Amino acid sequence: ETGVTQTPRHLVMGMTNKKSLKCEQHLGHNAMYWYKQSAKKPLELMFVYNFKEQTENNSVPSRFSPECPNSSHLFLHLHTLQPEDSALYLCASSLQDRADTGELFFGEGSRLTVL
Amino acid sequence: QQQVKQSPQSLIVQKGGISIINCAYENTAFDYFPWYQQFPGKGPALLIAIRPDVSEKKEGRFTISFNKSAKQFSLHIMDSQPGDSATYFCAGQGEYGNKLVFGAGTILRVKS
Repeated sequence: ETGVTQTPRHLVMGMTNKKSLKCEQHLGHNAMYWYKQSAKKPLELMFVYNFKEQTENNSVPSRFSPECPNSSHLFLHLHTLQPEDSALYLCASSLQDRADTGELFFGEGSRLTVL
Repeated sequence: QQQVKQSPQSLIVQKGGISIINCAYENTAFDYFPWYQQFPGKGPALLIAIRPDVSEKKEGRFTISFNKSAKQFSLHIMDSQPGDSATYFCAGQGEYGNKLVFGAGTILRVKS
C-alpha cells in the first residue's frame, strides 16, 4: 500500500449512530489532516495533527471527534450527526504541518450520508 | 480576510483551447498559492504552485499568472485535453502556517 488510504469509502448512518472513519498514510509524513468537502463549497479544514498532537481545531462541532494514535493513523469518530454533515471527508498528510514545505497528499475520501 | 474567491464555477472548453481559471484573495499575508486538481472519485492532488516573488510559473501546459498588486492569480491550461477534465481548486497559505484556504473549485470539462 502506498499513499493515503481511507476507509470506508462510503458510509450511510442514522443520526443516532456512532461510526468512525479511518485514514492511514504510508508516506512517512508527520502531519495529518481532516477536510470536509461539500458541493460548490471550498474545502474546509477541520483538524490538523503534527507528530500526533492536535495543532488545529477549526471550530468543529463536538459530534466530530478526531483521534491520532500515531503519525501514520488518523480517525474521525462520528456520533449524533445531522443531515447537513453529509459530505465527502478527505484525509491528507504532509511532511510537516506547513503546506509550503511540502504538498498535501489526499486520500480518495469517505462519502458520508446522514439520514 | 481569509477567503479565496474562485471563478468560474464551471467551464467548458474545446479540445486544443485554453482554459483559464481565476482566483482572488484578500489576505496580504498569504505567501504560497498552490493549485490542486481533483478527478471524480479521487482526492485532490497538487498540480502547480507559486510564491508572490514571481509573476509567472510554467510547468508543461499549465501556467500560473500572479498579480500581487491586484491580489489575483490564475491558472492557464494550454492545448486543453479531455484528460484535463477535472475540478480545480486554488488555495492560499494562511498566515498561521498550516492553514491552506481553498477556493470553491472550478469544474472543467474539455470537449473532444
